[in-house]
Amino acid sequence: DIQMTQSPSSLSASVGDRVTITCRASQSINNYLNWYQQKPGKAPKLLIYAASSLQSGVPLRFSGSGYGTDFTLTISSLQPEDFATYYCQQSYTTPRTFGQGTRVEIK
Amino acid sequence: EVQLVESGGGLVKPGGSLRLSCEASGFTFSSFAMQWVRQAPGKGLEWVSSITSSSSYVYYADSVKGRFTISRDNARNSLYLQMSSLRAEDTAVYYCAVAISRGDGVFDFWGLGTMVTVSS
Repeated sequence: DIQMTQSPSSLSASVGDRVTITCRASQSINNYLNWYQQKPGKAPKLLIYAASSLQSGVPLRFSGSGYGTDFTLTISSLQPEDFATYYCQQSYTTPRTFGQGTRVEIK
Repeated sequence: EVQLVESGGGLVKPGGSLRLSCEASGFTFSSFAMQWVRQAPGKGLEWVSSITSSSSYVYYADSVKGRFTISRDNARNSLYLQMSSLRAEDTAVYYCAVAISRGDGVFDFWGLGTMVTVSS
């Protein structure tokens, strides 16, 4: 199985800060990397697919990059509604493994 | 509008069984593979199982293989997860999810989830 490792596990940042979350795959997954946002008590929501494509309706402050084994989710200017946990997930092969999550707290 | 509505969760004793359902609407259910993903309290997301559109292929996480069975009824637009020999570590919110418009394995629609608690 492909292991997905996110860092950091949590972070605290101020409104307006630039936030970066990284995700590393245990083997190359080309660009089959997706990012989800989950708020407490809610289902996950797709943010980014194919490493860098923004899902419809997702604010432009979210962006993704990377290829192969190393990927990044960036929030260019953190907003209060961005308090959430973010998960990467590979869709290269089954099982569709997720990273362990990165919790973003607002200072 | 795509909707996925899970049901069937509840409290069950270790070793017991439970059957989850997911009723789908707003898309051509019979054309898409379906998934179950779970989340233990305070933990991350774990893919559990998937089934192809015509039920030709099913896949399971190692943690549930031999104990869980995924199935679907395309006439009823419904997905199922039969869970047996349940363990405390199966306690989680169980979500059904589907990849409709962004590629295979990209879960763009999720249900709200149903809670399963395994406890004596």
